[in-house]
Amino acid sequence: EIVMTQSPATLSVSPGERATLSCRASQSVSRNLAWYQQKLGQAPRLLISGASTRATGIPARFSGSGSGTEFTLTISSLQSEDFAVYYCQQYNNWPPDLTFGGGTKVQIK
Amino acid sequence: QVQLVQSGPELKKPGASVKVSCKASGYKFTRFTMSWVRQAPGQGLEWMGWINTNTGAPTYAQGFTGRFVFSLDPSVNTTYLQITSLKAEDTAVYYCAKDLIYGSGSYLFDHWGQGALVTVSS
Repeated sequence: EIVMTQSPATLSVSPGERATLSCRASQSVSRNLAWYQQKLGQAPRLLISGASTRATGIPARFSGSGSGTEFTLTISSLQSEDFAVYYCQQYNNWPPDLTFGGGTKVQIK
Repeated sequence: QVQLVQSGPELKKPGASVKVSCKASGYKFTRFTMSWVRQAPGQGLEWMGWINTNTGAPTYAQGFTGRFVFSLDPSVNTTYLQITSLKAEDTAVYYCAKDLIYGSGSYLFDHWGQGALVTVSS
Protein backbone atom coordinates (compact mmCIF):
# COMPACT_ATOMS: atom_id res chain seq x y z
CA GLU A 1 0.00 0.00 0.00
CA ILE A 2 1.23 3.46 -0.87
CA VAL A 3 1.41 5.65 2.23
CA MET A 4 0.67 9.35 1.86
CA THR A 5 2.17 11.73 4.41
CA GLN A 6 0.98 15.32 4.68
CA SER A 7 2.73 18.19 6.40
CA PRO A 8 2.27 20.17 8.44
CA ALA A 9 -0.63 18.69 10.37
CA THR A 10 -1.85 22.19 11.18
CA LEU A 11 -1.07 25.44 9.38
CA SER A 12 -1.96 28.82 10.89
CA VAL A 13 -2.35 31.51 8.26
CA SER A 14 -3.78 35.03 8.21
CA PRO A 15 -6.46 35.90 5.64
CA GLY A 16 -4.84 37.16 2.45
CA GLU A 17 -1.61 35.27 3.02
CA ARG A 18 -0.27 32.34 1.01
CA ALA A 19 -0.60 28.78 2.28
CA THR A 20 1.64 25.96 1.13
CA LEU A 21 0.68 22.38 1.93
CA SER A 22 2.88 19.34 1.26
CA CYS A 23 2.12 15.74 0.47
CA ARG A 24 4.67 12.95 0.12
CA ALA A 25 4.10 9.47 -1.29
CA SER A 26 6.02 6.41 -0.07
CA GLN A 27 6.65 5.46 -3.71
CA SER A 28 6.13 7.18 -7.02
CA VAL A 29 2.54 7.85 -8.04
CA SER A 30 3.54 9.74 -11.18
CA ARG A 31 1.00 12.56 -11.38
CA ASN A 32 -1.91 10.48 -10.07
CA LEU A 33 -2.50 12.84 -7.17
CA ALA A 34 -5.63 14.71 -6.14
CA TRP A 35 -6.43 17.28 -3.45
CA TYR A 36 -9.71 17.60 -1.57
CA GLN A 37 -11.04 20.25 0.79
CA GLN A 38 -13.27 19.30 3.70
CA LYS A 39 -15.05 21.84 5.86
CA LEU A 40 -16.36 20.93 9.28
CA GLY A 41 -19.46 18.76 9.05
CA GLN A 42 -19.34 18.58 5.26
CA ALA A 43 -18.29 16.04 2.67
CA PRO A 44 -14.95 16.49 0.90
CA ARG A 45 -14.79 18.54 -2.30
CA LEU A 46 -12.46 17.77 -5.19
CA LEU A 47 -10.05 20.64 -5.84
CA ILE A 48 -7.24 19.27 -7.97
CA SER A 49 -6.60 16.13 -10.01
CA GLY A 50 -3.62 15.01 -12.06
CA ALA A 51 -1.45 16.90 -9.56
CA SER A 52 -2.23 20.30 -11.10
CA THR A 53 -5.61 20.38 -12.90
CA ARG A 54 -8.28 22.35 -11.10
CA ALA A 55 -11.70 20.75 -10.89
CA THR A 56 -14.75 22.48 -12.29
CA GLY A 57 -15.57 25.68 -10.44
CA ILE A 58 -12.42 25.77 -8.31
CA PRO A 59 -10.94 29.28 -8.03
CA ALA A 60 -7.57 30.06 -9.60
CA ARG A 61 -6.04 30.83 -6.19
CA PHE A 62 -5.77 27.06 -5.71
CA SER A 63 -2.85 25.50 -7.55
CA GLY A 64 -1.13 22.14 -7.39
CA SER A 65 2.32 21.02 -8.42
CA GLY A 66 4.68 18.10 -8.20
CA SER A 67 5.18 14.60 -9.54
CA GLY A 68 6.57 11.27 -8.40
CA THR A 69 6.63 11.44 -4.62
CA GLU A 70 6.51 15.14 -3.75
CA PHE A 71 3.45 17.34 -4.21
CA THR A 72 2.33 20.79 -3.14
CA LEU A 73 -1.01 22.55 -2.88
CA THR A 74 -0.75 26.33 -2.80
CA ILE A 75 -3.53 28.72 -1.90
CA SER A 76 -2.27 32.07 -3.11
CA SER A 77 -4.37 34.40 -0.97
CA LEU A 78 -6.45 32.77 1.72
CA GLN A 79 -10.09 33.70 1.89
CA SER A 80 -12.28 33.11 4.93
CA GLU A 81 -14.00 30.20 3.19
CA ASP A 82 -10.68 28.42 2.66
CA PHE A 83 -10.13 27.54 6.30
CA ALA A 84 -10.68 23.79 6.27
CA VAL A 85 -8.88 20.44 6.23
CA TYR A 86 -7.10 19.46 3.03
CA TYR A 87 -6.41 15.88 1.99
CA CYS A 88 -4.19 14.54 -0.74
CA GLN A 89 -5.13 11.29 -2.46
CA GLN A 90 -3.13 9.03 -4.74
CA TYR A 91 -4.86 6.84 -7.28
CA ASN A 92 -3.62 4.01 -9.44
CA ASN A 93 -6.10 2.52 -11.80
CA TRP A 94 -5.03 -1.10 -11.75
CA PRO A 95 -5.07 -2.84 -9.43
CA PRO A 96 -7.37 -0.38 -7.72
CA ASP A 97 -5.19 1.39 -5.20
CA LEU A 98 -6.32 4.55 -3.56
CA THR A 99 -5.06 6.10 -0.33
CA PHE A 100 -5.49 9.45 1.36
CA GLY A 101 -3.04 11.45 3.39
CA GLY A 102 -3.78 12.25 7.00
CA GLY A 103 -4.82 15.81 6.21
CA THR A 104 -3.61 19.35 6.89
CA LYS A 105 -5.85 21.66 8.85
CA VAL A 106 -5.61 25.27 7.70
CA GLN A 107 -6.72 27.54 10.52
CA ILE A 108 -6.92 31.26 11.12
CA LYS A 109 -3.80 32.79 12.63
CA GLN B 1 -27.89 18.76 -10.86
CA VAL B 2 -26.09 15.73 -9.48
CA GLN B 3 -27.16 14.73 -5.98
CA LEU B 4 -26.27 11.84 -3.72
CA VAL B 5 -28.63 11.53 -0.77
CA GLN B 6 -27.74 9.10 1.97
CA SER B 7 -29.86 7.53 4.66
CA GLY B 8 -29.92 8.89 8.19
CA PRO B 9 -27.81 8.23 11.27
CA GLU B 10 -27.87 4.80 12.86
CA LEU B 11 -27.23 3.62 16.40
CA LYS B 12 -26.45 -0.08 16.63
CA LYS B 13 -25.24 -2.52 19.22
CA PRO B 14 -22.07 -4.55 18.75
CA GLY B 15 -22.75 -7.66 16.68
CA ALA B 16 -25.70 -6.15 14.83
CA SER B 17 -25.84 -5.22 11.14
CA VAL B 18 -26.52 -1.95 9.37
CA LYS B 19 -27.38 -1.00 5.80
CA VAL B 20 -26.65 2.49 4.53
CA SER B 21 -28.22 3.72 1.30
CA CYS B 22 -27.10 6.29 -1.26
CA LYS B 23 -29.68 7.51 -3.78
CA ALA B 24 -28.34 9.20 -6.88
CA SER B 25 -30.05 11.69 -9.16
CA GLY B 26 -29.21 14.14 -11.90
CA TYR B 27 -27.08 11.82 -14.04
CA LYS B 28 -27.11 8.41 -15.70
CA PHE B 29 -26.64 6.15 -12.68
CA THR B 30 -25.15 3.13 -14.44
CA ARG B 31 -22.43 5.09 -16.25
CA PHE B 32 -20.31 6.05 -13.24
CA THR B 33 -18.88 3.81 -10.54
CA MET B 34 -19.64 4.56 -6.92
CA SER B 35 -17.13 4.33 -4.09
CA TRP B 36 -17.55 4.21 -0.34
CA VAL B 37 -15.28 6.17 2.01
CA ARG B 38 -15.11 5.89 5.79
CA GLN B 39 -14.20 8.66 8.20
CA ALA B 40 -13.87 7.77 11.87
CA PRO B 41 -14.53 10.57 14.38
CA GLY B 42 -11.82 13.21 14.12
CA GLN B 43 -9.86 11.09 11.66
CA GLY B 44 -8.99 11.08 7.98
CA LEU B 45 -10.52 9.42 4.95
CA GLU B 46 -10.31 5.72 4.12
CA TRP B 47 -11.37 4.33 0.76
CA MET B 48 -13.41 1.18 1.28
CA GLY B 49 -13.83 0.16 -2.34
CA TRP B 50 -16.23 0.65 -5.19
CA ILE B 51 -19.10 -0.90 -7.08
CA ASN B 52 -19.55 -1.08 -10.82
CA THR B 53 -23.04 0.36 -11.18
CA ASN B 54 -23.44 -1.24 -14.61
CA THR B 55 -22.65 -4.83 -13.62
CA GLY B 56 -23.10 -4.71 -9.84
CA ALA B 57 -19.60 -6.11 -9.32
CA PRO B 58 -17.96 -4.84 -6.12
CA THR B 59 -14.26 -4.33 -5.39
CA TYR B 60 -13.16 -4.09 -1.78
CA ALA B 61 -10.06 -2.35 -0.50
CA GLN B 62 -7.71 -4.06 1.91
CA GLY B 63 -9.24 -4.13 5.35
CA PHE B 64 -12.79 -4.06 4.06
CA THR B 65 -13.37 -7.65 3.07
CA GLY B 66 -15.65 -10.09 4.82
CA ARG B 67 -18.02 -7.89 6.86
CA PHE B 68 -18.62 -5.20 4.25
CA VAL B 69 -20.94 -5.64 1.29
CA PHE B 70 -21.69 -3.24 -1.54
CA SER B 71 -24.87 -3.71 -3.53
CA LEU B 72 -27.21 -1.71 -5.71
CA ASP B 73 -30.71 -1.41 -7.06
CA PRO B 74 -30.51 0.33 -10.44
CA SER B 75 -34.29 0.56 -10.65
CA VAL B 76 -34.15 3.24 -7.93
CA ASN B 77 -30.64 4.57 -8.65
CA THR B 78 -29.45 3.49 -5.23
CA THR B 79 -26.30 1.86 -3.90
CA TYR B 80 -26.01 0.24 -0.49
CA LEU B 81 -23.32 -0.47 2.06
CA GLN B 82 -24.05 -3.26 4.53
CA ILE B 83 -21.82 -3.92 7.51
CA THR B 84 -22.32 -7.07 9.54
CA SER B 85 -21.03 -8.10 12.98
CA LEU B 86 -20.59 -4.45 13.93
CA LYS B 87 -17.76 -3.45 16.25
CA ALA B 88 -17.17 -0.26 18.20
CA GLU B 89 -14.36 0.64 15.80
CA ASP B 90 -16.89 0.72 12.93
CA THR B 91 -18.24 3.95 14.42
CA ALA B 92 -17.73 6.46 11.64
CA VAL B 93 -19.31 8.59 8.96
CA TYR B 94 -19.71 6.63 5.74
CA TYR B 95 -19.76 8.54 2.47
CA CYS B 96 -20.74 7.42 -1.00
CA ALA B 97 -18.79 9.18 -3.73
CA LYS B 98 -19.43 9.28 -7.49
CA ASP B 99 -16.54 8.78 -9.86
CA LEU B 100 -15.52 11.74 -12.00
CA ILE B 101 -15.01 9.81 -15.22
CA TYR B 102 -17.56 7.86 -17.26
CA GLY B 103 -17.01 4.12 -17.49
CA SER B 104 -14.49 2.03 -15.64
CA GLY B 105 -13.53 4.61 -13.10
CA SER B 106 -10.79 7.08 -12.35
CA TYR B 107 -10.88 6.89 -8.53
CA LEU B 108 -11.48 10.61 -8.42
CA PHE B 109 -14.71 11.75 -6.81
CA ASP B 110 -16.60 14.81 -8.01
CA HIS B 111 -19.78 14.38 -5.99
CA TRP B 112 -20.27 13.02 -2.50
CA GLY B 113 -23.21 12.11 -0.36
CA GLN B 114 -23.76 14.08 2.83
CA GLY B 115 -22.47 11.17 4.90
CA ALA B 116 -24.21 8.70 7.18
CA LEU B 117 -23.11 8.45 10.81
CA VAL B 118 -23.07 4.91 12.15
CA THR B 119 -22.54 4.65 15.88
CA VAL B 120 -21.83 1.27 17.44
CA SER B 121 -22.31 1.22 21.18
CA SER B 122 -23.72 -1.08 23.80
